[in-house]
Amino acid sequence: TQLLEQSPQFLSIQEGENLTVYCNSSSVFSSLQWYRQEPGEGPVLLVTVVTGGEVKKLKRLTFQFGDARKDSSLHITAAQPGDTGLYLCAGPNSGGSNYKLTFGKGTLLTVNP
Amino acid sequence: NAGVTQTPKFQVLKTGQSMTLQCAQDMNHNSMYWYRQDPGMGLRLIYYSASEGTTDKGEVPNGYNVSRLNKREFSLRLESAAPSQTSVYFCASSDWTVSYEQYFGPGTRLTVT
Repeated sequence: TQLLEQSPQFLSIQEGENLTVYCNSSSVFSSLQWYRQEPGEGPVLLVTVVTGGEVKKLKRLTFQFGDARKDSSLHITAAQPGDTGLYLCAGPNSGGSNYKLTFGKGTLLTVNP
Repeated sequence: NAGVTQTPKFQVLKTGQSMTLQCAQDMNHNSMYWYRQDPGMGLRLIYYSASEGTTDKGEVPNGYNVSRLNKREFSLRLESAAPSQTSVYFCASSDWTVSYEQYFGPGTRLTVT
């Protein structure tokens, strides 16, 4: 069974601070996705990383895929209250069932004004 | 383009009552999924339909049944609701042959008393 562990589970910071959240596994994933879920809504895809060592930037968000494709990180620069939400990482299952995703339990981020 | 729609948005049931959660997608996706989300537990897969005409159990199928009515619609039925089924339920769809991205509906918040 492939597992994704996310840390920290909770993070509360002030507006303007930087932060990094992590997604780790003992298994290799062909790709990893990051979703953001705002209160009362479903998760929405932010980015997919595919290549080991890949770095993708989305405005103030920087996503990195580990060289061994077992981990990923999300760094937010100068966080804003609008960044508040649950950040989930997910990866496709291996072994012929890649139409299913394994999800981490998420990091709940609160950015205070 | 509505994406993934779910009804109802909120529901309160008494123990032993039954109900069906409806989900529809207008993106011509092959695969559809039902998840439940509980605090600290992340997203857990209840049932999925990899393609029209097929359904399979996910991680937590007990107490639920599903029907893939057609390519667009995938319903989740609780035959005899229990307090342990109090949760937020999300439907999702994907075309995993193109991308592993899953598109989520807005969720149904179910309370069983």
